[in-house]
Amino acid sequence: RKEVEQDPGPFNVPEGATVAFNCTYSNSASQSFFWYRQDCRKEPKLLMSVYSSGNEDGRFTAQLNRASQYISLLIRDSKLSDSATYLCVVKFDDYKLSFGAGTTVTVRA
Amino acid sequence: EPEVTQTPSHQVTQMGQEVILRCVPISNHLYFYWYRQILGQKVEFLVSFYNNEISEKSEIFDDQFSVERPDGSNFTLKIRSTKLEDSAMYFCASSVGDEGYTFGSGTRLTVV
Repeated sequence: RKEVEQDPGPFNVPEGATVAFNCTYSNSASQSFFWYRQDCRKEPKLLMSVYSSGNEDGRFTAQLNRASQYISLLIRDSKLSDSATYLCVVKFDDYKLSFGAGTTVTVRA
Repeated sequence: EPEVTQTPSHQVTQMGQEVILRCVPISNHLYFYWYRQILGQKVEFLVSFYNNEISEKSEIFDDQFSVERPDGSNFTLKIRSTKLEDSAMYFCASSVGDEGYTFGSGTRLTVV
């Protein structure tokens, strides 16, 4: 069973739309959760950490549901520059990060 | 903003040759990592390094791989005898502890 699973998409949305997608993780002992963004052939870059109470950073909102072991990311008022692959990342009881395969989002004009 | 620096950005090597990928982590970070991403696949953990020794490694990190911190700034990944399937993007990362991971821009390794 994969440690971190994501809907690969692609999600094709018009500018200004809201897009949301989830990620599930298998290890209930997971400690930390993140959303990273990866542009084509570039390094992953931290978008935001995900906290138990849910958190928001501008147009981005992340939620964590420990009981159901899923994380979500919502992007409001999407911009062309939001087009990227969004990686769900989970850290267990060590310093290793486990990555999902990514959800591709394409925002069109 | 501090960054993790990787060199070279692209390395082409013949099968069976040794390659060394180089990284300069952020100076006050204590934990160092190598990850790889085969084209079209997910980012995979290879190895973590702390206090001058390997703290964890994955199944991918077999005897062909080694890491070293030869001085106070560099962190290297060596692949002794490259195989075609080693072709991938290799990312170095560093962190202070369990927060603040920063990835380098990667080395694209092509084994021919």
